[in-house]
Amino acid sequence: GAVVSQHPSRVICKSGTSVKIECRSLDFQATTMFWYRQFPKQSLMLMATSNEGSKATYEQGVEKDKFLINHASLTLSTLTVTSAHPEDSSFYICSARSGQYQETQYFGPGTRLLVL
Amino acid sequence: LAKTTQPISMDSYEGQEVNITCSHNNIATNDYITWYQQFPSQGPRFIIQGYKTKVTNEVASLFIPADRKSSTLSLPRVSLSDTAVYYCLVGEGGGGNKLTFGTGTQLKVEL
Repeated sequence: GAVVSQHPSRVICKSGTSVKIECRSLDFQATTMFWYRQFPKQSLMLMATSNEGSKATYEQGVEKDKFLINHASLTLSTLTVTSAHPEDSSFYICSARSGQYQETQYFGPGTRLLVL
Repeated sequence: LAKTTQPISMDSYEGQEVNITCSHNNIATNDYITWYQQFPSQGPRFIIQGYKTKVTNEVASLFIPADRKSSTLSLPRVSLSDTAVYYCLVGEGGGGNKLTFGTGTQLKVEL
C-alpha cells in the first residue's frame, strides 16, 4: 500500500509559539491531503482538506488563521499551528488520497503535540 | 456523507474469528466502504475496501449484502495484536473524498 510519513512524530513547545508539521506521500503523488485531529479516547475529527496549488478547505469551527495549511507540491502538505495554546495539545494525523489505489486514503503515523 | 453505526466494543479470544458489522443505511450509489485499524498513538491503517459482494485480502474479508446498507468485517483467527479500534467509513470515490469517522469498535482480544 501507499506510504505516508509525518514529521515530527512528537513535539513539545511553549505557549505562544508556532509549530509546523509535515506530511509527505513517499511513493505516490497526492493532489489532495487531509488533516485530522484526535483527542484522547475520541475519534478522528477532520480539520481541513488540502489541495495542491490551491487554498485549503476548512471544516466548520476550525480557525484557518490558526491552523495554516500549505500544499506546495504533490508530495508535501504542511500544517502550522500558530500561537499554540495548551488546548491545542492533541494528536494530529494527515492522510493522502492515492488515485493509483482505487482512490483510497492512506494515513500518516501522526504527530503528538504538547503545548506547555 | 453517509453515517455509520458500529458496536462500541467487542471482546474475543485468540484464535477466534471476529465479525464486526457496520450499518450505513443512507449509503450513496458512488460510495465505497473502507475499514481501518488504529492502535493507540498511531495513524489509522488501511485494512480493506469494497463496493459490493465480498472482498478478501491477506488480513481480512469484507462482506457486503446486495442492498449495501451494512457491511461486515471478518478477521480470521485473531491474536492479541489485533486488539485495536476498527473504523468503518463510507465515502464517495472509494474514500478519496473527505471521510467522517464514527466512534469505531474497540476490539479486545484475550488469551
